[in-house]
Amino acid sequence: AQSVTQLDSQVPVFEEAPVELRCNYSSSVSVYLFWYVQYPNQGLQLLLKYLSGSTLVESINGFEAEFNKSQTSFHLRKPSVHISDTAEYFCAVSDVNNNDMRFGAGTRLTVKP
Amino acid sequence: ETGVTQSPTHLIKTRGQQVTLRCSSQSGHNTVSWYQQALGQGPQFIFQYYREEENGRGNFPPRFSGLQFPNYSSELNVNALELDDSALYLCASSTGLPGDTQYFGPGTRLTVL
Repeated sequence: AQSVTQLDSQVPVFEEAPVELRCNYSSSVSVYLFWYVQYPNQGLQLLLKYLSGSTLVESINGFEAEFNKSQTSFHLRKPSVHISDTAEYFCAVSDVNNNDMRFGAGTRLTVKP
Repeated sequence: ETGVTQSPTHLIKTRGQQVTLRCSSQSGHNTVSWYQQALGQGPQFIFQYYREEENGRGNFPPRFSGLQFPNYSSELNVNALELDDSALYLCASSTGLPGDTQYFGPGTRLTVL
């Protein structure tokens, strides 16, 4: 079985500052990795995912994450955050043989002016 | 293309009652996954349905059961409700292929008194 640990429950940052949300996973098999974002009172939306190939994946709104197999990590980064990035961010993992996901507990990103 | 919809949006029940939550999958998707998200936590995988058959289950007791219909919509049934069942219940639809993106509905907020 897989599991995910998100190391920070809350991350407050100022607008235009860089941010890193940390995610580590545990699995005995090969995995796919995902970051989802949840805005207040909404469902989850996919931000980006790693399936194979380049270990650096990017989203359309400036976030990126790097798959590091040796450290079993998939940290999410953004060089300059906006107020609108304030949300809950969830890291998730699934093994390469099925489609059911295991989520971390989430990191609440709060961007302050 | 219609997205994933869930009904009802909110529900209040008392301990010991039974509840049915509904989910309509996105067009072209034959797989529905259900998750329980307690306040301040990440989504926990309940089970997944693929072409009307249960295709994976998380660590939830048998009083959590489900159905998937020929049009790939789905129901989640919970019997003998407990206070700890209070949560946001999310469904997600996908093609079921490993690594495929799951598209989430807005959720049903269940409160058990």
